[in-house]
Parts: sequence; C-alpha cells; structure tokens
Amino acid sequence: GAGVSQSPSNKVTEKGKDVELRCDPISGHTALYWYRQSLGQGLEFLIYFQGNSAPDKSGLPSDRFSAERTGGSVSTLTIQRTQQEDSAVYLCASSLVRYNDYGYTFGSGTRLTVV
Amino acid sequence: AQSVSQHNHHVILSEAASLELGCNYSYGGTVNLFWYVQYPGQHLQLLLKYFSGDPLVKGIKGFEAEFIKSKFSFNLRKPSVQWSDTAEYFCAVNAKAAGNKLTFGGGTRVLVKP
Repeated sequence: GAGVSQSPSNKVTEKGKDVELRCDPISGHTALYWYRQSLGQGLEFLIYFQGNSAPDKSGLPSDRFSAERTGGSVSTLTIQRTQQEDSAVYLCASSLVRYNDYGYTFGSGTRLTVV
Repeated sequence: AQSVSQHNHHVILSEAASLELGCNYSYGGTVNLFWYVQYPGQHLQLLLKYFSGDPLVKGIKGFEAEFIKSKFSFNLRKPSVQWSDTAEYFCAVNAKAAGNKLTFGGGTRVLVKP
C-alpha cells in the first residue's frame, strides 16, 4: 500500500489479557518505529528497528512489552498482562533511511483501551 | 532530562494573530529537525523538515521554521493563523548522537478562536 497500515484501529481488552498490535510499513522502508501517545501526553518512543541491526528497545516501559519485525517488514508489538495504564494510541512509523532523506510516515494508530 | 523541549504546552490565539512555537533540543553534532501537526481526530502529518542548507525552512500551509544552531532551536512560525490551524504541534529531532531514532517533544496544543 501507499502508506503505513496499522491494525486493529481500535482494541478493547480486559485487564490481564495479552494484545498484539500490527504494523505494515511502506514497502522498502528499512526503519520502523513504535510510539505511544497517551491522553494529554506527547509521543513516547518505544522501540526502533533499523534494517538487520539489533533494535533499540530503550523506550519499552516494562518487560510486558515486546516487539518483533519479521523479514524486515511487518512488525508486531505485544503487550502481555495488560494494565489500565497501557491505554493509549500506539503509533507506528516507517522511513527510508538515506542520508538527507528521512521521510517518516506515520500510520493512523491503534487505540488500545484496557478495561 | 528531556532531549527535545517544547516550552509552551497550550497556546490560545485569535484568527490573524501570529504564531511562534518554541522547540529546543539537547543533542550535539548532526541533527535533522521536523515539525509535525496532528489535527483533531487525524494522524500525524509532516509540516516541514530541515536537513541542511538554508536555516529558514518553508513548509506547507504557510508555516516556516528557523534553525539556529547556536541556540539548539528550531522554532515554528506562521504570520497569520486561521481557525483551521487548531491542532497539536510536535517538534522532532533525529540525531546521530541518539542513534538516529526520532525523538519528539511533548507537543503544543494550539487553539485558534474564530
């Protein structure tokens, strides 16, 4: 597709359940980011994948959060044993990392509500 | 310490007023700078970006930003705002010193009164 696709667009889950959020980046984009946007907050960096390099996981808030990127394309963000404070919009972005050409494109996000 | 700072969290102004939003960053070395906008109910969109060259960058919808290296700043400006500029604005920095990950400021909510 032409843009970054995220699914589902909305997810309501019960506290304690696991959830998986999916991101389909733009084809050929080697860099992929996950961010979290909570109500009234800015964008909180979670994790960054760049090509075949080890991901930068420095933003993951706890060990309940993990992410994978298979085949350098699709990424899945998994939250285990969800808590109410995990409720937020989870945004994915991808970019074609070339010197002087950092075009980051964002998806529409997944709105996660933990009840 | 926050690496990208937007000091104004909320701005309220009337149509035709001028707008300036501050953005400061703490990274040294090579940086790429961005302003994104998020209109109510919509996803993030790129307003403008700076990589090199002329430090005064023109973006979409009449926005511009000035990179002042000595001040580690990249302030966003618009001479005359419209009601449709009501949105949240995010400054973002991509720095080699930070492993090239894109770091956002906390955002500034702008409300333009008709």
